[in-house]
This record gives sequence, C-alpha cells and structure tokens, in this order.
Amino acid sequence: DAGVTQSPTHLIKTRGQQVTLRCSPISGHKSVSWYQQVLGQGPQFIFQYYEKEERGRGNFPDRFSARQFPNYSSELNVNALLLGDSALYLCASSLGAGRTEAFFGQGTRLTVV
Amino acid sequence: AQRVTQPEKLLSVFKGAPVELKCNYSYSGSPELFWYVQYSRQRLQLLLRHISRESIKGFTADLNKGETSFHLKKPFAQEEDSAMYYCALGTGANSKLTFGKGITLSVRP
Repeated sequence: DAGVTQSPTHLIKTRGQQVTLRCSPISGHKSVSWYQQVLGQGPQFIFQYYEKEERGRGNFPDRFSARQFPNYSSELNVNALLLGDSALYLCASSLGAGRTEAFFGQGTRLTVV
Repeated sequence: AQRVTQPEKLLSVFKGAPVELKCNYSYSGSPELFWYVQYSRQRLQLLLRHISRESIKGFTADLNKGETSFHLKKPFAQEEDSAMYYCALGTGANSKLTFGKGITLSVRP
C-alpha cells in the first residue's frame, strides 16, 4: 500500500557523525512530523512541517534539523551524533497542519556506537 | 506544559475478560485525545480519537474532562488485541502529539 515510507530502515553511525533520514508522506498529505522513540518510551515530537514551513518544534537541541521539499517529502538531519541519539525515528504524515489523523511510517532504527 | 500519563506498563488478562487501559492527561487548553496501537511488527496506527466517539474493534474511550482521563475499554478481550497501546494528546494548532509511555496488553488464551 502507498503508506508513509521511511529510509533507511536501519542505520549504524559513530559518535560525532552526521545522519540524514528520509520520509515520503502519503500521496496528497502536505504535513510531515518527526518523532523520536527511545526504548521503553512513547514517541516524542521533534518537528512538524507543512507546505515546506516549520510549524512546530519539540524540545530538541539545534543538532536536529529538518526540511520539507516541494513534493512534501522530508529529511531529518542530526549532527554531531551522541550515544543518546540512538532511537527509532518515526515520520508521520497528515492531510493538513492542524489536528488531523497522523499516519506513521515504520521508522528508522538509528544506532550510535 | 502538556503531559500524558499511562500508569501501568503491562496488563495481562485472559481471553474474554474485560480490559481497561488507563490514560490521564494534563493540559490547560482544549485537548484532543487519541489511542494509538502497535501490533507486533507493524507500524503505529490510530485506534480511536475522542471526537469521533466511535467503537473500533470493540474498544471505546470516553473523554472525562473533570478527571482529565481518557481510559480505553473493551468488555471482552480477544487474543488478537495483544499489542502495545499508546495514549496521545493533541494540542495547539498543529499536529503535534504528546504520547504516554505506552502499555503492553497481553491476552492469554
């Protein structure tokens, strides 16, 4: 099915490196949100983008950045990786910017060693 | 600041037993509450949202603003209900969701 797709599915990086995660929303969806889920916790909001503009930002350091492209796909970048950045990174897409249903991707499992 | 509390990590019941998964929230504005479910090896998916007032797969949840709760209930649990359940709070004008830590529901035969 044409759900939210994320790539890569798994990734191993070394401390201090940089990583880029990618997300393609459901066709017709203009909003993409990113979440971090560490083991044993619920997903934590990182960013929301709508129509290529940032609409929300969670409590994450400036090492985390994102952007949305004209086709509504999105990238999440994390610089200067720390061991604590190891987590499952989830992307969610929704039709609009407001409180509409969010559809999640399978996630990217990032391991920092 | 908004917060979602799911006080239990695990609930184990026998098939046919009633289920109640607890969720309490903290938010000074007008909240929107959701239950998300994650079955084994599947992605997180929406189960219920309070504004729709639907029953999905036999589950219901009522928003109690006085008690700031949104507990998920099912009268007769089935084995296929075994999954991880997350309560989430929608706030503000954007799509930001604040999730609880989740609870594992295990339904034994």
